[in-house]
Amino acid sequence: SQTIHQWPATLVQPVGSPLSLECTVEGTSNPNLYWYRQAAGRGLQLLFYSVGIGQISSEVPQNLSASRPQDRQFILSSKKLLLSDSGFYLCAWSVRSGGAPYNEQFFGPGTRLTVL
Amino acid sequence: AQSVAQPEDQVNVAEGNPLTVKCTYSVSGNPYLFWYVQYPNRGLQFLLKYITGDNLVKGSYGFEAEFNKSQTSFHLKKPSALVSDSALYFCAVRDSFSWGKLQFGAGTQVVVTP
Repeated sequence: SQTIHQWPATLVQPVGSPLSLECTVEGTSNPNLYWYRQAAGRGLQLLFYSVGIGQISSEVPQNLSASRPQDRQFILSSKKLLLSDSGFYLCAWSVRSGGAPYNEQFFGPGTRLTVL
Repeated sequence: AQSVAQPEDQVNVAEGNPLTVKCTYSVSGNPYLFWYVQYPNRGLQFLLKYITGDNLVKGSYGFEAEFNKSQTSFHLKKPSALVSDSALYFCAVRDSFSWGKLQFGAGTQVVVTP
């Protein structure tokens, strides 16, 4: 079966510090990968998605970047965190299948980031 | 363009009563509709999806959803709610033109009281 891991689970960082959040998927190959942010409240915002190694699409201009160094690894980074970067970060994957729109996404457990 | 609306910020229901969480959508092409549930400080869990065919879709934990094309709705239902169903529920839509991008609703908080 497939599993998705995220770490760390929680993180408290000062403003201006760097960030690296990691997501890995097990039990599948060539997945589509996604990073979402869920701000206080509830809305989900798609930040980045990837269809393959080194292929990253950004949805929203921001202080963050993403990389996919390996097929099942997705990393979210920042050089200098802002207060507004606080939130709950969720990684997700889906079966690629030619980009079939009916494939559901499966979410990781999330990382709670607090920037002070 | 695609969008989804969850008109209720919160739904309160007594345990054992039927539960309905509303969702309406707007898409350019054929809609692909999804329901997810989120427990506090957890990731989203997939409940069910509509692709095509039977308008009544059955999913996990006794949930089902009814697709209504004329009303552009995809309401989530459960015949008898449990206290453990208390959570945040998200409806999501994708059309046939929007590669990989799910559009999520704002979420509906469900509170089931004993």
